[in-house]
Amino acid sequence: EAQVTQNPRYLITVTGKKLTVTCSQNMNHEYMSWYRQDPGLGLRQIYYSMNVEVTDKGDVPEGYKVSRKEKRNFPLILESPSPNQTSLYFCASSTQDSQETQYFGPGTRLLVL
Amino acid sequence: SQKIEQNSEALNIQEGKTATLTCNYTNYSPAYLQWYRQDPGRGPVFLLLIRENEKEKRKERLKVTFDTTLKQSLFHITASQPADSATYLCARPYGQNFVFGPGTRLSVLP
Repeated sequence: EAQVTQNPRYLITVTGKKLTVTCSQNMNHEYMSWYRQDPGLGLRQIYYSMNVEVTDKGDVPEGYKVSRKEKRNFPLILESPSPNQTSLYFCASSTQDSQETQYFGPGTRLLVL
Repeated sequence: SQKIEQNSEALNIQEGKTATLTCNYTNYSPAYLQWYRQDPGRGPVFLLLIRENEKEKRKERLKVTFDTTLKQSLFHITASQPADSATYLCARPYGQNFVFGPGTRLSVLP
């Protein structure tokens, strides 16, 4: 089954404790992206990757890092999480030729205390 | 920066009626606009895309329009059903980025 998976689905952590949210897709997509979703603000793009070893900032990259060492995986790293990073996070992927249709993962709900 | 506005945070309609959701964008017209459906606790699911040079697009009970003069897209669901209740998101490309609107939460009442 074609899908985007994220882990963990739920996470409670404390300020300053490094964490990684994994994202994996099995559709051989080149383009992958991370979003956060907050009430009233909608989905905002954090980082995106056009292909392996090619990443770039979205609208709200501060406090986040990403890497793209393999085509299928695009982890999101929070080196020192803060309470304002409490949010719902989504990973998405699409083909390079047609970035028009993005396939989203199920989401990761993060609470930073 | 690019901005997407969706007219209502929430919209209630009666089953069988047509729901109309509005998406307004700022600055230059994008090459296309997308509409997604999002159910509570789930990721968005792509529904329709309409290009700048298309006035209207249909898919089953869904219809989308694109008016570059008004900088607006309308999303219609005809013969609405309670199962159509969800949040609907509008999105546009911006370079290699995507900008999403805040969404409209549609409730179809039986």
